[in-house]
Amino acid sequence: SQQGEEDPQALSIQEGENATMNCSYKTSINNLQWYRQNSGRGLVHLILIRSNEREKHSGRLRVTLDTSKKSSSLLITASRAADTASYFCATDAGSNYKLTFGKGTLLTVNP
Amino acid sequence: EADIYQTPRYLVIGTGKKITLECSQTMGHDKMYWYQQDPGMELHLIHYSYGVNSTEKGDLSSESTVSRIRTEHFPLTLESARPSHTSQYLCASSETSLGENEQFFGPGTRLTVL
Repeated sequence: SQQGEEDPQALSIQEGENATMNCSYKTSINNLQWYRQNSGRGLVHLILIRSNEREKHSGRLRVTLDTSKKSSSLLITASRAADTASYFCATDAGSNYKLTFGKGTLLTVNP
Repeated sequence: EADIYQTPRYLVIGTGKKITLECSQTMGHDKMYWYQQDPGMELHLIHYSYGVNSTEKGDLSSESTVSRIRTEHFPLTLESARPSHTSQYLCASSETSLGENEQFFGPGTRLTVL
């Protein structure tokens, strides 16, 4: 069964606005990671948050983790057209270094 | 930019052909992975390797096979391709000693079987 579920499935915003994507998962985890995928390309790691952390920042990215609700959110502030991509959460449940990916959120940032 | 390469980037072949998708990484990572991804969908793990001579089946059943004879090389082979194998195949690697399972991805191979 799928571990991560992103929501919304698609999000369209204007440049300069903030974008928030959510991820829910089902089992306990060691860490949760967010990846970005430009159309037809491989994934790029954005940020990792450990199960004992609640919030993490990296540049314009802010990630939160609520293990009691089994959910995470990714906030991209002051979005740019170049942020247009699909964003995936991935959970590491400690099972032999495998990650389980969600279906992703397609973010479109309009200039 | 991660040093992980996949060739070919695009492949269109006929049913019944044998194909090998190449994946190489120059980072010396011990773990490598193959994922299958249909357009707009999630990634499904089909194979992984902990190191040389180690290969395991992933969560999604696949008719493909893999080998890991060298640390840097993790090719995927389909003995007889079928239209149902049409998909994007993504290779990734990670390093145990770094402590976290951050994975580095190649650009992918988009396979179309006619």
